[in-house]
Amino acid sequence: TQLLEQSPQFLSIQEGENLTVYCNSSSVFSSLQWYRQEPGEGPVLLVTVVTGGEVKKLKRLTFQFGDARKDSSLHITAAQPGDTGLYLCAGEGEAGGTSYGKLTFGQGTILTVHP
Amino acid sequence: GAGVSQSPSNKVTEKGKDVELRCDPISGHTALYWYRQSLGQGLEFLIYFQGNSAPDKSGLPSDRFSAERTGGSVSTLTIQRTQQEDSAVYLCASRGSGGRTDTQYFGPGTRLTVL
Repeated sequence: TQLLEQSPQFLSIQEGENLTVYCNSSSVFSSLQWYRQEPGEGPVLLVTVVTGGEVKKLKRLTFQFGDARKDSSLHITAAQPGDTGLYLCAGEGEAGGTSYGKLTFGQGTILTVHP
Repeated sequence: GAGVSQSPSNKVTEKGKDVELRCDPISGHTALYWYRQSLGQGLEFLIYFQGNSAPDKSGLPSDRFSAERTGGSVSTLTIQRTQQEDSAVYLCASRGSGGRTDTQYFGPGTRLTVL
């Protein structure tokens, strides 16, 4: 069974601060995805990283996939109140394995950005 | 819009009753997933349908849970003899081909409350 440990579980910061969310596992993933979820809605994909060491940027958000494809981070620069929400990481197992095609989710990070 | 839809949006039932939750995936998507999410938490994988292959039921928590997908499109998740611990948001997602770079699109979920 693949597990993804996401931290921190809660994050409360002031507008303008930077933050980093981490996802770690002992398992190798073929890809790692980050989602954002608003109350009453399903998760919405932010980014998919597939190559070890890959870095992707989405405006103020920077996503990194670890070299060994076991961990990932999400860094937000100059957070804004509109960034408030639940952030989820999810990894997909490697081809040929029992977890291929399925996503294993981290526990989520509830981010609150205060004006 | 042709997103993933789920019904009902909310379901309140009494302990011991059976419930059926419906998912209408995006037209043409071959992969369909069911997840369960407790309040403010990550998603727990339940079951995965890929084309005409036998479904991956490895995430179903007990034999009270079952799901079917008719005609490769609509899916129904059935929970028999509901228990209070079944209370959660049940999310459905569909995906184009199941490949690692294809996006999973989530529905808004069904909030199940077992009294």
